[in-house]
Amino acid sequence: DQQVKQNSPSLSVQEGRISILNCDYTNSMFDYFLWYKKYPAEGPTFLISISSIKDKNEDGRFTVFLNKSAKHLSLHIVPSQPGDSAVYFCAASAQPEYGNKLVFGAGTILRVKS
Amino acid sequence: GAGVSQSPSNKVTEKGKDVELRCDPISGHTALYWYRQSLGQGLEFLIYFQGNSAPDKSGLPSDRFSAERTGGSVSTLTIQRTQQEDSAVYLCASSPQGSETQYFGPGTRLLVL
Repeated sequence: DQQVKQNSPSLSVQEGRISILNCDYTNSMFDYFLWYKKYPAEGPTFLISISSIKDKNEDGRFTVFLNKSAKHLSLHIVPSQPGDSAVYFCAASAQPEYGNKLVFGAGTILRVKS
Repeated sequence: GAGVSQSPSNKVTEKGKDVELRCDPISGHTALYWYRQSLGQGLEFLIYFQGNSAPDKSGLPSDRFSAERTGGSVSTLTIQRTQQEDSAVYLCASSPQGSETQYFGPGTRLLVL
């Protein structure tokens, strides 16, 4: 069963507008969440993370929101740029249940059109 | 500084052959992870090394898969008697002590014919 779900396989956004990528999880033990960005033929690159004690974390154009009651997190990118076009993975971990291993969603392909 | 490196970048092998994939983590990172990504799928955890502790092998899909980490640094993932379903991108990641953020290498693309 998928414990981390990214229900939108792809998203297309106009340059300069906001991109919102969504992620849902089922395991209430998850206490740390991360977003990774992946270009073709490269490994995932860490973008931003959030601990379960927070509901928002911001880093430049990237903001992650966490709604624990809904078991939902989202990544906002504003303004979106063509270079943001990539696959975005949501990941979660649960100390001590899973150690530090990450459980990943299947990814969302973001296309930013210029 | 140097990131996580993996070799080879691509590997094509015949069904039934053994393969070895190598990972050099970021210097000083105590934790090392192996994941794999099959076509159209998310990343799937395989194995996790932390310092001198016994590795967490709970994600290895079969006993054909094994991994070791020598001297607390370089790691080798070995797949014996490869099958076509082993075809995937194998990704290595490392993280420093006390951090939950993992830093990934570029991956090894394995194709089993």
